[in-house]
Amino acid sequence: ETGVTQTPRHLVMGMTNKKSLKCEQHLGHNAMYWYKQSAKKPLELMFVYNFKEQTENNSVPSRFSPECPNSSHLFLHLHTLQPEDSALYLCASSQGRGYETQYFGPGTRLLVL
Amino acid sequence: KQEVTQIPAALSVPEGENLVLNCSFTDSAIYNLQWFRQDPGKGLTSLLLIQSSQREQTSGRLNASLDKSSGRSTLYIAASQPGDSATYLCAVGKTSGSRLTFGEGTQLTVNP
Repeated sequence: ETGVTQTPRHLVMGMTNKKSLKCEQHLGHNAMYWYKQSAKKPLELMFVYNFKEQTENNSVPSRFSPECPNSSHLFLHLHTLQPEDSALYLCASSQGRGYETQYFGPGTRLLVL
Repeated sequence: KQEVTQIPAALSVPEGENLVLNCSFTDSAIYNLQWFRQDPGKGLTSLLLIQSSQREQTSGRLNASLDKSSGRSTLYIAASQPGDSATYLCAVGKTSGSRLTFGEGTQLTVNP
């Protein structure tokens, strides 16, 4: 596979569940990002990783826990979410040498009941 | 705090028309500006990236301009086609680091 892939594509979970979102990039990039896209709102940056180190946390609640084991993989661990966390979660990657084009995955559509 | 606004929020045009999408930003200290396309339920596809030192970029029927001093960018689409129907997002990168600030997007419908 090429580009940026995300699994699962759709997820329904209860507020007491624990689940994880996975992102994988096959572009040889060094920076990876998590974004949240809610209805009628601009995309919101959640986390940035450069060379496996977290470089930005945009005041994201602790019920979202990112993990970046290597430059190709990024996870978002979810626990005790709220219905307002229902959104499209997008992963992206870039070269990481400054600012340049970000390549996005197809997203995970999350519904919290 | 950087704010990005896109006007109009939605646009419906007949096939073949030339059209302009607008993006404005409040802080002119940007590193670059990107235009993305998003199809329903899908991720984003980068269309054009303009560095802060550039005035415009072109790709096929698309032309993006940047006027940093006035905090504006436009995306010009020539001879629109039904396949151009999507949401177009503008995003600005700050001077240092990797943060992108997005607008809410313009939802474009091109009618056959």
